[in-house]
Amino acid sequence: DAGVIQSPRHEVTEMGQEVTLRCKPISGHDYLFWYRQTMMRGLELLIYFNNNVPIDDSGMPEDRFSAKMPNASFSTLKIQPSEPRDSAVYFCASSLAFGFNEQFFGPGTRLTVL
Amino acid sequence: AQTVTQSQPEMSVQEAETVTLSCTYDTSENNYYLFWYKQPPSRQMILVIRQEAYKQQNATENRFSVNFQKAAKSFSLKISDSQLGDTAMYFCAFIGAGSYQLTFGKGTKLSVIP
Repeated sequence: DAGVIQSPRHEVTEMGQEVTLRCKPISGHDYLFWYRQTMMRGLELLIYFNNNVPIDDSGMPEDRFSAKMPNASFSTLKIQPSEPRDSAVYFCASSLAFGFNEQFFGPGTRLTVL
Repeated sequence: AQTVTQSQPEMSVQEAETVTLSCTYDTSENNYYLFWYKQPPSRQMILVIRQEAYKQQNATENRFSVNFQKAAKSFSLKISDSQLGDTAMYFCAFIGAGSYQLTFGKGTKLSVIP
């Protein structure tokens, strides 16, 4: 398997623009997670899906953030409108189940909002 | 809420030497799992080793081993025969049994010096 795939790897945009980050989880994994990594706050869970259904989005910082998983092979994280404080690395991860099961991370998308 | 603390923001070690990274955590749960993830400059989060809290035996993966002290809520990582490729950020993480919430520490930046 190719692992978790994320695109783009880097994104530079201007404040106010819409940004869409994409993720393809490992085939067969029922759980998909979106994380954000910043120097100040470290790694934070934004939202997770189980069988394509969003279960907990309490980590989503504002209404400007939204996430979808239209099928088992694809998820998006959208920021509209983007702000400079959204600049971070966004990771997607997938796993077979909870707990001891390893969460496999994608390579991340480095977002810079000017 | 669980917290994970890594008290060493940066460490360095000579190639071929041994280094220990510290991690403490706070939880009221009795069943949980602990992980060490490595993040090299490529940004990819890679699982290094994991430990089940109900197992007294410390986990070992090749040159990597842990010292798990449940009563002290301590989970340190020992890297033996350090290699240049071990240079990375190392994150300690906690997850409750049956939980989806992976809580990360702020990380320790390890530099292996030739």
